[in-house]
Amino acid sequence: DQQVKQNSPSLSVQEGRISILNCDYTNSMFDYFLWYKKYPAEGPTFLISISSIKDKNEDGRFTVFLNKSAKHLSLHIVPSQPGDSAVYFCAAKAGAGGGAQKLVFGQGTRLTINP
Amino acid sequence: DSGVTQTPKHLITATGQRVTLRCSPRSGDLSVYWYQQSLDQGLQFLIQYYNGEERAKGNILERFSAQQFPDLHSELNLSSLELGDSALYFCASSSLEGGNYGYTFGSGTRLTVV
Repeated sequence: DQQVKQNSPSLSVQEGRISILNCDYTNSMFDYFLWYKKYPAEGPTFLISISSIKDKNEDGRFTVFLNKSAKHLSLHIVPSQPGDSAVYFCAAKAGAGGGAQKLVFGQGTRLTINP
Repeated sequence: DSGVTQTPKHLITATGQRVTLRCSPRSGDLSVYWYQQSLDQGLQFLIQYYNGEERAKGNILERFSAQQFPDLHSELNLSSLELGDSALYFCASSSLEGGNYGYTFGSGTRLTVV
């Protein structure tokens, strides 16, 4: 049962344009969502997060939008840069605090930024 | 350097063998999580330890086991290895209040079973 789904395995975007990565979830108990970025031969690194009490969180070029009614979140990167080329994982958990809550990850989307 | 150390980085072994993957969490983190990433798959949760005790179990095979030691490092033991066990194995750690920043991941161990 895939509780977190990233339906696009790959995405190609022109440098300077907006990249939009999508994620859907099925578990209504999830109330905290995170995006991780992964380069080859490295572990995933935290990028940005959002609590279910918000519908938007922004950090520089990165913005995450949450639509709870649709159980959908998206990551916007603008403007996209070549260094943004990586695999992006969406993750979710139930409970924003406490290290005991495990993260459930999507399958990842490989983003390629073309010069 | 994320602060989470995984060894070895690469491991090649034959079917039927047993291997041990090691993880040292970030200083101060009490929770350790193990994830498996197979080809074209997302990160599949295997098991979590908190301060030496097992706290959560995911899709971990019976041939796999893990433990967390008093110094908080963790080991993932994989036995009777099969070709399908070839994957990247990630360890992550978090503090008690892991919350907003989720986990810190190590760089992974790439296991190849031949």
